[in-house]
Amino acid sequence: AQTVTQSQPEMSVQEAETVTLSCTYDTSESDYYLFWYKQPPSRQMILVIRQEAYKQQNATENRFSVNFQKAAKSFSLKISDSQLGDAAMYFCAYDFGTASKLTFGTGTRLQVTL
Amino acid sequence: GAVVSQHPSRVICKSGTSVKIECRSLDFQATTMFWYRQFPKKSLMLMATSNEGSKATYEQGVEKDKFLINHASLTLSTLTVTSAHPEDSSFYICSAIDRGWVNEQFFGPGTRLTVL
Repeated sequence: AQTVTQSQPEMSVQEAETVTLSCTYDTSESDYYLFWYKQPPSRQMILVIRQEAYKQQNATENRFSVNFQKAAKSFSLKISDSQLGDAAMYFCAYDFGTASKLTFGTGTRLQVTL
Repeated sequence: GAVVSQHPSRVICKSGTSVKIECRSLDFQATTMFWYRQFPKKSLMLMATSNEGSKATYEQGVEKDKFLINHASLTLSTLTVTSAHPEDSSFYICSAIDRGWVNEQFFGPGTRLTVL
């Protein structure tokens, strides 16, 4: 079975600084998708970034980028120039195929301080 | 685009009653919808996968007779919690996959259920 592990229950970063959230996963599949979702206090799940496993290039979305290490089964999220609005729970998630179910990690609560 | 709504956003009910939660894809057709449960400060736990026109597939440990799921159209799935008890109190979230873009799930805003 696929598992997703987020080893950092809480992280803190100062405004304008950079923070990296860790995620590892376990799978026997060769083709799959990885996601980072943000869940602010409103509880609405928001897709931050996605990575297709067959792509070697790391995905980037504005201030958000990932470090995808397929052999190590690692998928970390880097947030640059952190803003107060980035404070939220962040979930790493895995999806092994089209229209399949997501497996979520336990989440990392990110605090952003002034 | 790709908006998913849930209704109601909050519901309080008495123990023993049934509650229905609706999940709608507002601007796309959803061949597949998912229902999750989230406990406070915890991750999302998949309860079931709902495909339009067919029976839902429940995850191990989820009582299908207690959590009835119906996906009657390409834009609507419902979750009915039957004979609710206080331990059913939780945050329920649905998500939907756009038939034209199957590699991303779009999430609803969630429903907080409190059973007294």
